[in-house]
Amino acid sequence: NAGVTQTPKFQVLKTGQSMTLQCAQDMNHNSMYWYRQDPGMGLRLIYYSASEGTTDKGEVPNGYNVSRLNKREFSLRLESAAPSQTSVYFCASSEAGGATGANEQFFGPGTRLTVL
Amino acid sequence: AQSVSQHNHHVILSEAASLELGCNYSYGGTVNLFWYVQYPGQHLQLLLKYFSGDPLVKGIKGFEAEFIKSKFSFNLRKPSVQWSDTAEYFCAVNGYKLSFGAGTTVTVRA
Repeated sequence: NAGVTQTPKFQVLKTGQSMTLQCAQDMNHNSMYWYRQDPGMGLRLIYYSASEGTTDKGEVPNGYNVSRLNKREFSLRLESAAPSQTSVYFCASSEAGGATGANEQFFGPGTRLTVL
Repeated sequence: AQSVSQHNHHVILSEAASLELGCNYSYGGTVNLFWYVQYPGQHLQLLLKYFSGDPLVKGIKGFEAEFIKSKFSFNLRKPSVQWSDTAEYFCAVNGYKLSFGAGTTVTVRA
C-alpha cells in the first residue's frame, strides 16, 4: 500500500498562475481532506470530502477549489495564485466522514508551494 | 468555539532527558484526542490517540499521553528522549471538528 500520495512535491508559481495539486489514497477511505501548514499556525483545513461526490468548505477555503474525482482521488486547485498561498499543502484521508475526522487521519508527504 | 493550545513553541533537550509537551483544548463536549509527529522532511504520522477508556494512553516509540478531563488537557510524555525524536509534534482535538494545535518543535541534542 502506498497510502496517501501527492503530486507534485515542490512547485513555484508566479502570482496569477493556476495549478492543481493531486492527491490519491489506496486505503478505500471514504473521507479526504486538504490542509495547509504555515509556521506557528499548525494545520488548517481548506476543504474536505466526506464521501465520493460531496465536498465542503473548511476553515480557510478562499482562493481554492476542490474536486472529488472518485473515491481514491481528491484534487485541490488554485485558480489565481497569490503570495499568501505560499505554504505546505497536505492531503489526508480517513475512514470517518465529515469535518470531524473522528478516526485517525493518514497524511500524504505534502506539496511545498511558493508563489512569487 | 473549539480551539487547541500547545504551550511550548520550541523545546531543546539533551538525549536521555525527559520530555513533556502540554496540550489544552477548549470544548465542552466529548472529544477524541490525538498526537501527531512530523519528522524532518516527512509527513505527519499518528503517535497515539484517545477515544475512551483508560486516560493514560501509550503510543509508538515509547510515547504516552494522559487525558485529564477536568483540566481539558492531553499532555504528551516520554521518559528518555533520543536524538531521533527530533521532530515537530502536533496535538489535535476532535470535538465537533478536528482542530490542530500550532505545533511544538522538539530538538534533541546528542
